[in-house]
Amino acid sequence: AQKVTQAQTEISVVEKEDVTLDCVYETRDTTYYLFWYKQPPSGELVFLIRRNSFDEQNEISGRYSWNFQKSTSSFNFTITASQVVDSAVYFCALSEARETSGSRLTFGEGTQLTVNP
Amino acid sequence: DARVTQTPRHKVTEMGQEVTMRCQPILGHNTVFWYRQTMMQGLELLAYFRNRAPLDDSGMPKDRFSAEMPDATLATLKIQPSEPRDSAVYFCASGYDSNQPQHFGDGTRLSIL
Repeated sequence: AQKVTQAQTEISVVEKEDVTLDCVYETRDTTYYLFWYKQPPSGELVFLIRRNSFDEQNEISGRYSWNFQKSTSSFNFTITASQVVDSAVYFCALSEARETSGSRLTFGEGTQLTVNP
Repeated sequence: DARVTQTPRHKVTEMGQEVTMRCQPILGHNTVFWYRQTMMQGLELLAYFRNRAPLDDSGMPKDRFSAEMPDATLATLKIQPSEPRDSAVYFCASGYDSNQPQHFGDGTRLSIL
């Protein structure tokens, strides 16, 4: 069975601080995908990144960066110089990569990030 | 940008009524998923389709929920009869096999009184 754990339920920072959101996953699959989604107060789910299990390179996109470490089954997300608009719930998710099952996602519980001015 | 379209955005109805939620996946996507989000359970998968065929609906209460894809441009999720515990946000998502990220609709916020 797959499982995603986001131990931080809520994080509160002051604008311009860096913040890291933790994600730990469990799977018996050797091939899988990891995702981060953002859910702002308006409620929609916004795709941020997908990473496959064979690619452990860290990725940077503007103020966002992701650190994937298979050895610790972690896929952490860092926001540099946070802004008020980053306030949202962030979900980490894991998907199988099986021909018969498509790409069903198992979500973590989410981390509520509040960036204060 | 192509988007997953869900209707209605909001629905308030009394318990016992039938509720139908609709989803138009992104053109060309061959997988469609229904998720439910509640405070207690978070985001949980209800059902999903691949090439319009149902692959798994084990997350759905079978006695009252049903999901169908009458054609490639429409997926439906029905609740009959509805109960107050069905109140939640229901998301539809579409994707293309396992190599692509799932794109989510804006959700249907359902309130059963």
